Amino acid sequence: RKEVEQDPGPFNVPEGATVAFNCTYSNSASQSFFWYRQDCRKEPKLLMSVYSSGNEDGRFTAQLNRASQYISLLIRDSKLSDSATYLCVVNRVTNTGKLIFGQGTTLQVKP
Amino acid sequence: DTEVTQTPKHLVMGMTNKKSLKCEQHMGHRAMYWYKQKAKKPPELMFVYSYEKLSINESVPSRFSPECPNSSLLNLHLHALQPEDSALYLCASSQDPTLTMVTEAFFGQGTRLTVV
Repeated sequence: RKEVEQDPGPFNVPEGATVAFNCTYSNSASQSFFWYRQDCRKEPKLLMSVYSSGNEDGRFTAQLNRASQYISLLIRDSKLSDSATYLCVVNRVTNTGKLIFGQGTTLQVKP
Repeated sequence: DTEVTQTPKHLVMGMTNKKSLKCEQHMGHRAMYWYKQKAKKPPELMFVYSYEKLSINESVPSRFSPECPNSSLLNLHLHALQPEDSALYLCASSQDPTLTMVTEAFFGQGTRLTVV
């Protein structure tokens, strides 16, 4: 079983739709959680960190459920520019900050 | 300045060549990473340097040799690579790997390596 698992998609949605991505992690020692965005042939860029209380940044909302070892990302009012691969990333700080990547979920927003 | 700079952006090398990839950050970050990414796959960790010391080697073949000359620089020396080593090589840095706090990583644009 992979340490961080995501549904690879692709998710094809119309502009304006709400879409949710899920991610599960297997190591309960994981300390920090992130969503990164990666455009085709570009480097991953931090979208948002995920806090235990949940957090929101504009149209994006991230949630963490430590008991179920589950992370989610909700995108409201999808834009064409949201089309990208979204990577769930877990940081086991107790192991000198090793970042573990999920395989990524591809989102395609269509006009 | 939240930038990680990698050079070169593209590299084509033969299987008998020796080349080096370079990475630089000036954010005062004390952890630096090398990742390898193949097409349509997530980045795979290769090496972690923590306070300029190699802390993690993910069983990477010895034809890849990392070096951290100082806290701002990270190199990856390449020798006798195989065509299957062709990939995007990403450098990243993060603040302090020993703190139990959120330590997001910042990535460079990567070096797209082709081994012929």
